[in-house]
Amino acid sequence: EVQLVQSGTEVKKPGESLKISCKASGYSFSDYWIAWVRQMPGKGLEWMGIIYPDDSDTTYSPSFEGHVTISADKSTSTAYLQWRSLKASDTAIYFCARDPHGPAAFLDYWGHGTLVTVSS
Amino acid sequence: EIVMTQSPATLSVSPGERATLSCRASQSVSSNLAWYQQKPGQAPRLLIKRASARATGIPARFSGSGSGTEFALTISSLQSEDSAVYYCQQYKNWPPTTFGQGTRLEIK
Repeated sequence: EVQLVQSGTEVKKPGESLKISCKASGYSFSDYWIAWVRQMPGKGLEWMGIIYPDDSDTTYSPSFEGHVTISADKSTSTAYLQWRSLKASDTAIYFCARDPHGPAAFLDYWGHGTLVTVSS
Repeated sequence: EIVMTQSPATLSVSPGERATLSCRASQSVSSNLAWYQQKPGQAPRLLIKRASARATGIPARFSGSGSGTEFALTISSLQSEDSAVYYCQQYKNWPPTTFGQGTRLEIK
């Protein structure tokens, strides 16, 4: 069974750094792209970027490039999303999702989401 | 960036009836379109890929149609469990792939 298990809720202050995770199981992690999707409170879905774990080939949405970093560790089947300096506007739920026909296609399996709250 | 526009914003339909949700792309996306269902507090679930192909485990009462710039998701014989927000996503032009703003489906 394909599963994407994400790290837990985070509460941070503006300016702090953060790295959240998405651990995959039930399939060959290296062979499928992993995307990150943002959902701000009460809002819709925004595609942030995508990584191919086998070679760490990464593409970002222009809206997010330079503000977040996507990475992956094949040895632990885990993808990561990180910020060096959080803003209040980063408050959102962040989903990881598998893209079976990447580097940009539909997303067939999703993690449960990580809630990130940034507040002073 | 391709803009996806969904209509209506909210749809209220009685159980057993049919619901049709629309999605329009600002330029042609061919058949590179997916539909997702999101219930409160849950992650989105893939319903339809390639405009009309049901994802694994999705009941036959969910169907997708369209190509180019006009798409529809039809849910026949509505059930209470179908109450959710539905999103379309284009993946023809990227980055980024883009989602519509969602249609909230309420079951009366």
